[in-house]
Parts: sequence; structure tokens; C-alpha cells
Amino acid sequence: GQNIDQPTEMTATEGAIVQINCTYQTSGFNGLFWYQQHAGEAPTFLSYNVLDGLEEKGRFSSFLSRSKGYSYLLLKELQMKDSASYLCAVREGNFNKFYFGSGTKLNVKP
Amino acid sequence: EPEVTQTPSHQVTQMGQEVILRCVPISNHLYFYWYRQILGQKVEFLVSFYNNEISEKSEIFDDQFSVERPDGSNFTLKIRSTKLEDSAMYFCATAGDPSDYEQYFGPGTRLTVT
Repeated sequence: GQNIDQPTEMTATEGAIVQINCTYQTSGFNGLFWYQQHAGEAPTFLSYNVLDGLEEKGRFSSFLSRSKGYSYLLLKELQMKDSASYLCAVREGNFNKFYFGSGTKLNVKP
Repeated sequence: EPEVTQTPSHQVTQMGQEVILRCVPISNHLYFYWYRQILGQKVEFLVSFYNNEISEKSEIFDDQFSVERPDGSNFTLKIRSTKLEDSAMYFCATAGDPSDYEQYFGPGTRLTVT
């Protein structure tokens, strides 16, 4: 089975930096994904890690440590529009099975 | 920009009825997925589909569910004998290749079973 944990909710201030953590336990790990989901909308892809280390993409970065079963998403220069849920998802096996965490609701305040 | 489309956006059905949810993938994509999200809960993988057959399915995807690609464009999810607990948002997602890390999600169909 899979066990993906992330904080339920976080609050941060506009312009600040926030780190959202995700821990996982899974068999056949083959990649970790971060998605953004605004209320009532579909998830949209943010980042992907399959090897250890940091991947940077504009204001968003994601880190993976496979030995620790740990990832984080780093959001810089927070904007009000970043208020959303952030979903950690693990891909398992031969690319075709995904497991999502329950999501972290990020509230950005002025 | 190409996008995945889903119809209908909202489906209301009575318990015990059958529903078919439709998805039109991005045209050159070959890998298709269905997910569901019960209100306030996490996204749950249902099934993946490639080359006209199921690649993987979750424990949720039992005999009540089926998928097909009837005409080479649409990708459908059929739910037979719907139950109240099937009420959820159903998302279709597609990818060009499974090694592509990005799945493109459709806007979802909200299914309400009464």
C-alpha cells in the first residue's frame, strides 16, 4: 500500500517563502509529482522529481530524497493567487499508477 | 494550447442508474487515466488505459466500472448501478507517453447520485 502524508493547512504572507512537506511510503517508487488545485477545479502540474535533489521552475522548486521518502515544494515570492491546495502524488511501478496525498491547503494573506 | 475536455460538466442520476462519462483526450496522447475526488477528499486513481486495454486499476475500480475508447477519440468511464457514494468529481487525464511526467487533467464531471 501507499502512505502519503502532508500537512492539512498552512498560512503564509504575500511575498514570503513557504515550504510544503510530503512524506511517503510506497513500493515501486517511480517519481514524485506536485500539483496545484484551486477549489472546484482540476489539478494542474507543477513539478516532478524522480532523482534526488532540487528541481527549480520559476517561483516553484521541488526537492526529493528517496532514501528518506521525503519531498518538499518551495514557493517563493508568494502571490495571493497561490492560495490553493497543493497535492503531492507518487507514481508507482511502470508509470501508470498514481497515488495522491490529501493535499495541503495554502492560505496566502496580504 | 491543446486541452482535455470532459462532458457533461455535471450529471445528476438516480441510485441504480447507469452513467457514462466522456473525455476527449489531447489528440496525440495515447495514455489515459480516470480519477475521482469525493468532495473534500483526496484525488483517487481509478484506472489507466493504453492500446485499448487497461494498464492498471485500483481497488476502487471493481466490476461496477468499465472504460473504453469506442471511436478512437472519446475515452469513456461507465458506472453501472450507481450508489450514493459514487457522488464525486471524476477527472480524466491524458499523457503522450508514460515516461512524460506531465498528465493533463480535464475539467472534471461532477456526478451527483440521488
